[in-house]
Amino acid sequence: AQSVTQLGSHVSVSEGALVLLRCNYSSSVPPYLFWYVQYPNQGLQLLLKYTSAATLVKGINGFEAEFKKSETSFHLTKPSAHMSDAAEYFCAVSETGGYQKVTFGIGTKLQVIP
Amino acid sequence: ETGVTQTPRHLVMGMTNKKSLKCEQHLGHNAMYWYKQSAKKPLELMFVYNFKEQTENNSVPSRFSPECPNSSHLFLHLHTLQPEDSALYLCASSQTSGRSEQYFGPGTRLTVT
Repeated sequence: AQSVTQLGSHVSVSEGALVLLRCNYSSSVPPYLFWYVQYPNQGLQLLLKYTSAATLVKGINGFEAEFKKSETSFHLTKPSAHMSDAAEYFCAVSETGGYQKVTFGIGTKLQVIP
Repeated sequence: ETGVTQTPRHLVMGMTNKKSLKCEQHLGHNAMYWYKQSAKKPLELMFVYNFKEQTENNSVPSRFSPECPNSSHLFLHLHTLQPEDSALYLCASSQTSGRSEQYFGPGTRLTVT
């Protein structure tokens, strides 16, 4: 069975500081992993995805995530936070790829302090 | 129109009303999904359709009735809802290939009074 845990439902960072959002997954097969972002009053938008190619995945808006099998982690990072990064971020795992059953984490709200 | 669209964006309905949510995708995808997003809960998958056929019903109450007339359109028919059904309802679509991601619409904010 697949599952995902996001540590920290709320994270606050100063503008210009490092952003680190944590995600740990559980999967019985090599997983597909995703990070999505949701801005207020909008749907989810894909930031990046891991599909068993390179372990360091670069996404949009300067975000990247590293797949670490030994730690079953897929943490999201950005070197320098911008005010526009304030949003809710969701980690997701799938054992079948992006279609059919995708399990989402509970989400992490990122606050950026000027 | 591009991407995934949903109408209406906001809906207020009484418990005895019947209403429908509409989703349309302009991406040529073959799979469509309904999710329920409630505060402080993970996104809940409700239904999955592949090539117009329902392939997943995640133990959703019968007061929610999906319809998928073709690969581009998805409806969620609502009747005799409960206040706890108030939530953001998100539609998504994807290709049916294993490496594809889901594309989401903006959602319908539903309030049941």
